[in-house]
Amino acid sequence: DIQMTQSPSSLSASVGDRVTITCRASQTITNYLNWYQQKPGKAPKVLIYAASSLQSGVPSRFSGSGSGTDFTLTISSLLPEDFATYYCQQSYSTPYTFGQGTKLEIK
Amino acid sequence: EVQLVESGGGLVQPGGSLRLSCAASGFTFSSYSMNWVRQAPGKGLEWVSYISSSSSTIYYADSVKGRFTISRDNAKNSLYLQMNSLRDEDTAVYYCARERSYGPSDYFDCWGQGTLVTVSS
Repeated sequence: DIQMTQSPSSLSASVGDRVTITCRASQTITNYLNWYQQKPGKAPKVLIYAASSLQSGVPSRFSGSGSGTDFTLTISSLLPEDFATYYCQQSYSTPYTFGQGTKLEIK
Repeated sequence: EVQLVESGGGLVQPGGSLRLSCAASGFTFSSYSMNWVRQAPGKGLEWVSYISSSSSTIYYADSVKGRFTISRDNAKNSLYLQMNSLRDEDTAVYYCARERSYGPSDYFDCWGQGTLVTVSS
């Protein structure tokens, strides 16, 4: 199975900050990497697919990059509604696996 | 509007069974692969099972293999998860998720609201 490791596990930031979350795969997954946002009590929502493609309707302050084993999600300028938990997920092979999550909290 | 609505969750004793359903609307259900993903209380996301659009290909996580069965009825626009021999560690919110393909890459572009399964005596 492909293991996905996110860092950091939690992050405190302020509105307006630029934030980067990283995700590392235990083996190469080319660009088969997706990012999701989840708010408490809600279903996850896809932000980025195929490492760098922005899902329709997602604000452009979200961006993704990387290939192979190392990936990043960047939020260019935090808004209050961005405080949530973020997960990466590989779709290179089953079992599909998620990172452990990064909880983004207000400083 | 694309919508997925899960049902069938509840409280069940260890060793018991439960059948989850996911009703799809607003899109051509028969054209999409579907998945079940679960989330234990306070924990992260765990993929559970995949079924292709025609049911010809099915995959399971090792943690549920031999106990859970995924199926679909394209005529009824519905996805199912039959869960047998339930364990305490199966306690979770279960989401159905539509799989979208972008070239060879896939992602979950639409999720239901989830249904809570609690396994406890």
